[in-house]
Amino acid sequence: DGGITQSPKYLFRKEGQNVTLSCEQNLNHDAMYWYRQDPGQGLRLIYYSQIVNDFQKGDIAEGYSVSREKKESFPLTVTSAQKNPTAFYLCASSYSYNEQFFGPGTRLTVL
Amino acid sequence: GQNIDQPTEMTATEGAIVQINCTYQTSGFNGLFWYQQHAGEAPTFLSYNVLDGLEEKGRFSSFLSRSKGYSYLLLKELQMKDSASYLCAGAAGNKLTFGGGTRVLVKP
Repeated sequence: DGGITQSPKYLFRKEGQNVTLSCEQNLNHDAMYWYRQDPGQGLRLIYYSQIVNDFQKGDIAEGYSVSREKKESFPLTVTSAQKNPTAFYLCASSYSYNEQFFGPGTRLTVL
Repeated sequence: GQNIDQPTEMTATEGAIVQINCTYQTSGFNGLFWYQQHAGEAPTFLSYNVLDGLEEKGRFSSFLSRSKGYSYLLLKELQMKDSASYLCAGAAGNKLTFGGGTRVLVKP
């Protein structure tokens, strides 16, 4: 079955720690995306990548970093520089100019 | 710049019709997506409009007017399972800009 997986489903972080959220897809999509969603809000774009070894900042990239070493994988690191990281994080992938398919999400809570 | 506006919340009765409006200002606009999102879950694709007009898909229809920067999602014969948030998203290149989402509550 093709799809997008994210892990873990729930993640707890202490203040000052970096954490990495995993995103893997086997849909053979070129483009991958990371979004943040706060309660009752829409999705805001953090980073996106249209091809391996290349990525661009979205609207709220500060305090986050990404890598795209393989087509299937697009991990997101939430650094200690992100002052309010508690949120629901969604990864998505797509062929160019087509619908984005979303993973199940990771809910990050800062303790 | 990108700007997507949609109402925050709507309430309707089971079996009724609800129309969710979305206005957009998107540079390099390609088309307009609608997604459904149940609480705590990932968004799922509903429709994609590129050309002006109405596209019907079962109980759900979506309309686009590019000249007016306006779209709507029409949900007919509402069911309790339709209670969810509906996200409007403008496409420009490979990027989507999402509105804040409209939470629809279906009452018996």
